[in-house]
Amino acid sequence: KAGVTQTPRYLIKTRGQQVTLSCSPISGHRSVSWYQQTPGQGLQFLFEYFSETQRNKGNFPGRFSGRQFSNSRSEMNVSTLELGDSALYLCASSLAGSEGYTFGSGTRLTVV
Amino acid sequence: GIQVEQSPPDLILQEGANSTLRCNFSDSVNNLQWFHQNPWGQLINLFYIPSGTKQNGRLSATTVATERYSLLYISSSQTTDSGVYFCAVPRGGATNKLIFGTGTLLAVQP
Repeated sequence: KAGVTQTPRYLIKTRGQQVTLSCSPISGHRSVSWYQQTPGQGLQFLFEYFSETQRNKGNFPGRFSGRQFSNSRSEMNVSTLELGDSALYLCASSLAGSEGYTFGSGTRLTVV
Repeated sequence: GIQVEQSPPDLILQEGANSTLRCNFSDSVNNLQWFHQNPWGQLINLFYIPSGTKQNGRLSATTVATERYSLLYISSSQTTDSGVYFCAVPRGGATNKLIFGTGTLLAVQP
């Protein structure tokens, strides 16, 4: 079966712009989580969606937001980009958010 | 919150050598995962191991939940084993988010 698909793979944006990243989970998985990975902070949890509802949110500013559609696909949006938002953004899917997670290949965002 | 620490932080091996990576966690957990992040950034699920021992080819993992640690064994290492190994535990009560460890950077030299 298909894995977790993230698009785009690479993205370059300018400070102040906004960006939308997409994640399609494994078929049948209803939980999608997003993570930010930076060299300084490591892997940090952004938020989790389950059945179109945000169930949990990490410690990130309100510029970071997300949503989940009825087909479980999820998007995350970052507004007013800052240089520090440059990171690898990973999404993970699982059946219900309490079992093994499968990650996508990530979107590498560079803010210049 | 829970602290998840891994050791060693860096490891250099010759091809064919064996290694043990450790993951310590500061609070009780009901499951634990090991991941390998390859040089291209992709996180690959290696084991979902809340307790006991599992083996998959040259890799095996053991979690002793009562003593709050997990071990990942790599035998007969190959250059393709290079990358960063993370353990992660879920937190959040009714919902779950993964708390990742600090990672072990493994370099296997030919």
